[in-house]
Amino acid sequence: DADVTQTPRNRITKTGKRIMLECSQTKGHDRMYWYRQDPGLGLRLIYYSFDVKDINKGEISDGYSVSRQAQAKFSLSLESAIPNQTALYFCATGWGGELFFGEGSRLTVL
Amino acid sequence: KNQVEQSPQSLIILEGKNCTLQCNYTVSPFSNLRWYKQDTGRGPVSLTIMTFSENTKSNGRYTATLDADTKQSSLHITASQLSDSASYICVVRGPRNTDKLIFGTGTRLQVFP
Repeated sequence: DADVTQTPRNRITKTGKRIMLECSQTKGHDRMYWYRQDPGLGLRLIYYSFDVKDINKGEISDGYSVSRQAQAKFSLSLESAIPNQTALYFCATGWGGELFFGEGSRLTVL
Repeated sequence: KNQVEQSPQSLIILEGKNCTLQCNYTVSPFSNLRWYKQDTGRGPVSLTIMTFSENTKSNGRYTATLDADTKQSSLHITASQLSDSASYICVVRGPRNTDKLIFGTGTRLQVFP
């Protein structure tokens, strides 16, 4: 089983719909992250959480929200999806700069 | 502004050949630098980490170098294989107490038979 599991792996939705991407990890780390990857832009941090009670905005948090349900679970929500949120989303966990990434969730907003 | 720039953006080589990927950064202060490999459709996986005091580190056919004075790192791949086809991402960690990571945009390597 993968250390970091993301669901769904692929999702196509329409503008205005609410979307939730889920992430669970078995690495036992407290820190979890959500990143977005766009061609030519690299990975950008959306939100991060150092523990269940500690959630922080990253560099591109507008239009997104997160929930840390447990040490091992961290979900990302798009309350009202828009086309420019079409991207590949990665969940990660780790510390000291070493991150373990999930396989990614490809989201397409029409 | 803290930045990480990688070159080339893309590279095509023949199987068995060597290649070198470059990473220049302006992050200061600096804790460590990692190279990640990202296969198409997969998440990035750490290849190697370089700390301030290290100049060279190898991981099989991958050798990373770091010059902290010029703020440059390179990733050398020896005797390339088809499975080396991937994107290689340079990631620099800022101060230890902030856990801030700055990502490069990656080099897309394609190895052809």
